[in-house]
Amino acid sequence: DIQMTQSPSSLSASVGDRVTITCRASQVISNSLAWYQQRPGKAPKLLVYAASRLESGVPSRFSGRRSGTDYTFTISSLQPEDFASYYCQQYYDTPPTFGQGTKVEIK
Amino acid sequence: QVQLQESGPGLVKPSGTLSLTCAVSGASVSSSNWWTWLRQPPGKGLEWIGEIHHSGRTNYSPSLRSRVGISVDNAKNQFSLNLYAVTAADTAVYYCARDLTVTRYCFDYWGQGTLVTVSS
Repeated sequence: DIQMTQSPSSLSASVGDRVTITCRASQVISNSLAWYQQRPGKAPKLLVYAASRLESGVPSRFSGRRSGTDYTFTISSLQPEDFASYYCQQYYDTPPTFGQGTKVEIK
Repeated sequence: QVQLQESGPGLVKPSGTLSLTCAVSGASVSSSNWWTWLRQPPGKGLEWIGEIHHSGRTNYSPSLRSRVGISVDNAKNQFSLNLYAVTAADTAVYYCARDLTVTRYCFDYWGQGTLVTVSS
């Protein structure tokens, strides 16, 4: 299985801050990467796929990109509703695998 | 609006069978999409269990392949999960989801999830 290493595991930030989360795969995944948001007690919500494509209806403050072997997810200006956990997921190979998640908390 | 809804027992005895159904509305399981089961142990990350196509083709996680079965009922517009010989390690919130039309193994619609506890 492809291992996804996500960092940090948690972070504290304020409304309006820029937040970046990083994911690294144990092998090449050729931009086959998605990012999900999960609020407590809710199902994950797809935000980004193909490393940088925003899912329909997702606000433009969310973005994803690839930098070498790292994949980054950025919230340009954190909003109150963005405090949640975020997961990366590779779908280059089966089984699809997820990072361990990043919890974004209020500072 | 596509909606998925899981249903099934919330408590299963060790060595028993976990059985869940996912009812789909606003979309057809007979479409070209694949339909997926995932799970999330309390306080932990997400794990892909397997998927099914309306033709009946399935793919399963290697770690669960010996204990899992997924089926589809096109007439009822639903698909189901059976997990056999469960242990406490199978306690989790179970989600059904739909694969993106444009790419497999990326999930755009999810059910709300159902907690299944394995305990005597």
